Parts: sequence; C-alpha cells; structure tokens
Amino acid sequence: QSALTQPPSASGSPGQSVTISCTGTSSDVGGYDYVSWYQQHPGKAPKLMIYEVSKRPSGVPDRFFGSKSGNTASLTVSGLQAEDEADYYCTSYAGSNNFGGVFGGGTKLTVL
Amino acid sequence: QVQLQESGPGLVKPSQTLSLTCTVSGGSISSGDYYWSWIRQHPGKGLEWIGDIYYSGSTYYNPSLKSRVTISVDTSKNQFSLKLNSVTAADTAVYYCARDRGYYEFSFDYWGQGTLVTVSS
Repeated sequence: QSALTQPPSASGSPGQSVTISCTGTSSDVGGYDYVSWYQQHPGKAPKLMIYEVSKRPSGVPDRFFGSKSGNTASLTVSGLQAEDEADYYCTSYAGSNNFGGVFGGGTKLTVL
Repeated sequence: QVQLQESGPGLVKPSQTLSLTCTVSGGSISSGDYYWSWIRQHPGKGLEWIGDIYYSGSTYYNPSLKSRVTISVDTSKNQFSLKLNSVTAADTAVYYCARDRGYYEFSFDYWGQGTLVTVSS
C-alpha cells in the first residue's frame, strides 16, 4: 500500500477558494467511496473534516467540500479564513484483501 | 461526547518495548459500532496507521509494523493498548489513539491529544 499523493503546499488569500488534491490508485481512492480529510493545527491532533468523500461531520463548516473523480479526491475550502491555515491529510480505505488504508503525505495550507 | 486519552511512558530505551494505553470515555468500546486505532506521527512528518482493534479482540495491523506490534483491548476498563517491541530511534513519534468509524471506513472521527514517545538511551 503506497501513500496517497498530495501537493506539499497550497495557498490562498482570505475569502478565496483553494483546492487540495489527493491522488491514489484504483485499489484505494478510485475503488471505494471511503476518502476522508483531516485538518491538523500545529501541536494538535488531527480533526476529521470530510468522510465518505463528501460528508461533513457535525460542526464542520460547509465551506469545506469534498469530491472525487477517478483516482483523485479533492478538498475545496471556500471563503478562506485565517484559522483554515493548517496541515491537511487525506486517507482512503484500501483493503479489499487486507484491512486498512493509506494516508496522504499532507498539504500545508497557507492563508496569505 | 467521546473522548480518548493516551497514557504511558514518554521515554523508552532502544530495544525495549513501548507500551501505551488509551482510555475511552463518553462511549463504550463494547458497543461494537466502531474500531479502535493507533496512529503515529514522526516529528515534522505525516501520519502512519499502526493498527486497529475491534471490541471482540480482532486485530488488524500495518504490514510494515506487524512483526513488532500488539494491540489489545480491555472492555471492562473501556481501554485499549499498544505494545511495540524492539524499538529504535525511528519509533520516536507522537502516538495517537483514535476511533475508526468502521471496517470499510479507515476514517477516524475522534482522536486523543497524542503523546510524544522518545526512544533514547
């Protein structure tokens, strides 16, 4: 199971939108609708922002939108705010034969 | 509100065994609705899944760590534990326990605050 590929960095100005990609294979991202996204601020635990590709847990603003096309999932953050500056990680179930999944390498989102 | 809290030594000597416990409150491990996970993060790096356990004791491990990892559960205490043996400096990391939404999910909705474990003599 190889890690999912994310860009190391992304940026945008307050109020703008930014999209972070997460590329896998047909054995993970492309094969299942079980992609999740996490936000991690420095020194804090990750926080689930999106699950099952596009579902938001209670309390997550609707500025966060998840989608998937083929082997690539995306997280779009609209109306950027200063507090959105954080590391973002994707995960995908990848275990038709083996339990478990894979993490992306993470993307540092900077709000300019 | 579900809460998870890791506990255990912050310093482990090389070749010894790292042992951590996660105490769950606000929800029962025995409910059977979720799996319970250990995840680690090397300093300044990304996240690495270590393994999951179900309340029944069924375990699932990252193949790259499987030979050194044991995860166990104590439903009477609402706790689950991690043992990683033969540690080296490469095992220095923040260790998180988390709740996995389900067998086909690999999606972690509640996390502990994390505990830094340093491997050093």
